[in-house]
Amino acid sequence: DAGVTQSPTHLIKTRGQQVTLRCSPKSGHDTVSWYQQALGQGPQFIFQYYEEEERQRGNFPDRFSGHQFPNYSSELNVNALLLGDSALYLCASSFTGALGTQYFGPGTRLLVL
Amino acid sequence: GESVGLHLPTLSVQEGDNSIINCAYSNSASDYFIWYKQESGKGPQFIIDIRSNMDKRQGQRVTVLLNKTVKHLSLQIAATQPGDSAVYFCAENRGSSNTGKLIFGQGTTLQVKP
Repeated sequence: DAGVTQSPTHLIKTRGQQVTLRCSPKSGHDTVSWYQQALGQGPQFIFQYYEEEERQRGNFPDRFSGHQFPNYSSELNVNALLLGDSALYLCASSFTGALGTQYFGPGTRLLVL
Repeated sequence: GESVGLHLPTLSVQEGDNSIINCAYSNSASDYFIWYKQESGKGPQFIIDIRSNMDKRQGQRVTVLLNKTVKHLSLQIAATQPGDSAVYFCAENRGSSNTGKLIFGQGTTLQVKP
């Protein structure tokens, strides 16, 4: 049983560019949450998707958007990249009946130059 | 931003000793708490969870204690091994148990000396 997978593993972009990160949830999970983890910090909640809709959102600007597909996989899009967007982006999946029990993928390391 | 606080950034223990990692939270309405372990270059790995109607929960070599009176959470690791070296995060599920919005602390680095 595959766990949560994310792609790509690493990414380098320049300021002003746009980026798309991808996530496939653990088998049987229907909810995907995205987190941003700056170096030396704990993960910060960006948003959560369920039934192809954004269900709740953290304190992130509209430059951060997402999508969930019918197969429950998800994308995170960040527009107009800033240097401060450099971080590890984590995807976590869960089953809607047990939302707190989230399982994380390995993350995508984004570097903005 | 929002965060759950941990008491110590780094904890160094001898192999075979017990480890205790502490965490304080601020929202008395939080009803679900999770401990995660994050090794270098990996995503957080679920260790153990506890709901607010419990004071203690045990897993394999790990125990989580919850003191709602002082809003304090701890993770105890018995017979600490080198493989336990990692950053440990406590996280609270803010609000109702069905929100899934986890608020993380800044983490405690556990170093195990052979």
